[in-house]
Order: sequence, then C-alpha cells, then structure tokens
Amino acid sequence: SYVLTQAPSVSVAPGQTARITCGGYNIVSKSVQWYQQKPGQAPVLVVYDDSDRPSGIPERFSGSNSGNTATLTISRVEAGDEADYYCQVWDSSTDHPNYVFGLGTKVTVL
Amino acid sequence: QVQLVESGGGVVQPGRSLRLSCAASGFNFSSYGMHWVRQAPGKGLEWVALLWYDGSNKYYGDSVKGRFTVSRDNSKNTLYVQMNSLRAEDTAMYYCARGVATASGFDYWGQGTLVTVSS
Repeated sequence: SYVLTQAPSVSVAPGQTARITCGGYNIVSKSVQWYQQKPGQAPVLVVYDDSDRPSGIPERFSGSNSGNTATLTISRVEAGDEADYYCQVWDSSTDHPNYVFGLGTKVTVL
Repeated sequence: QVQLVESGGGVVQPGRSLRLSCAASGFNFSSYGMHWVRQAPGKGLEWVALLWYDGSNKYYGDSVKGRFTVSRDNSKNTLYVQMNSLRAEDTAMYYCARGVATASGFDYWGQGTLVTVSS
C-alpha cells in the first residue's frame, strides 16, 4: 500500500517560514491535501489539490507538489499556527479507494 | 454553515457492537460522499470508510473490512457506522467528514465521538 513519510517535528521562530514535507513515491501524480489539527480539536483542511486553499484559510498557507515530495509552506508563522499537520492522498493503486495519511508533523513555534 | 455532529460513542467490551451517528446540516447532504476517519489516542489519522452520496458504493479501510458497515439516511441527513466485533485497537476518536471528491479529501469534519473498547 501507498506510504506517506513526514518528519515528526519542525520548529520555527515567529515571523519565519515553516516548510513541512510529505514524501511518497511519484506523489506528483496524486492530489495532496493538508490538514491542521490543534490539541483537542478536529482536523481542518488548509490545502487541497496540492495548492488550493479553502475559503477562510490565510494566504500564508501554501502548497506545492513535485516529484516524490509535497510541501506545505507556512509563511510569517504565528503562535496560533502551532499544531499537528497531516498530509493525505487518495491511493487508487488497489482495487478500492484508499485514503492515506502521513503520520503527521508537529509544528512548534519557538 | 456546514455542521457535522457525531454521537453514539462510549465504552464497550471487546467483541461487542456499537453504532455511531453523524447528523449533518448546512448543506445538501444527499449530494456528498461521506467518510468516517478515526484517531487512536496520541496517534495519527486513519481513514475508516466512504459511502457515496446515494449509498450505492461503500469502501472500507483494511483494518475494519468485514466488521464495520457504513450507511446513510438522506431523508434524515444522517450518516451511520455499525461497528461489530470490536477490538481494543478500535479505541479511537471517530470523526465523520464530508468528501470533497472521490480522488481528493475531506473538507469539513465533525468534532468526533470517542469509542473505548475495554473489558
């Protein structure tokens, strides 16, 4: 089955840029979603279809996808961005739809 | 606004059954595929099941296949999951989520309902 690899943690100072990567074989051929989850809360979609933002998500959140790596970039990081971030794809390589998540990256704002 | 409210969680013994519900509002429920996604305590997200907008197709994650059954009542704007033969490893927060498109992800999530499988 398809595997998504994320670094367990990323630390960033306020005002700087955080880059969270999601590795997967030929991930460029897939549509990648990113979710933000704060402690005790449900996940929130922040990027879909590699680089689109749902309404209400700040422009500071952006996504890209190339080769074997998708990236979520958070510009001008704020304290409120501290959360777990999960990437997700739809894997069609099996005989039925399968939605795969990475294990998540914890973003700490220093 | 879109709202998804799960209910039905609780403590259940291994081998027993439980049914969760997800009440939807604020959108045309019968036009959307709906999912269940779970999260074990301190762990990541795991997709559980998908039910097409009209109930015509159902898909399950490997860990629940044959034990869980997803259904919906579009007249009541409600999604269900019947969980049988529960195991300790099914202990998790269960979220319902609206599907963006089959080949995509989930755009709205409920707050979840906690299922604990323990003797």
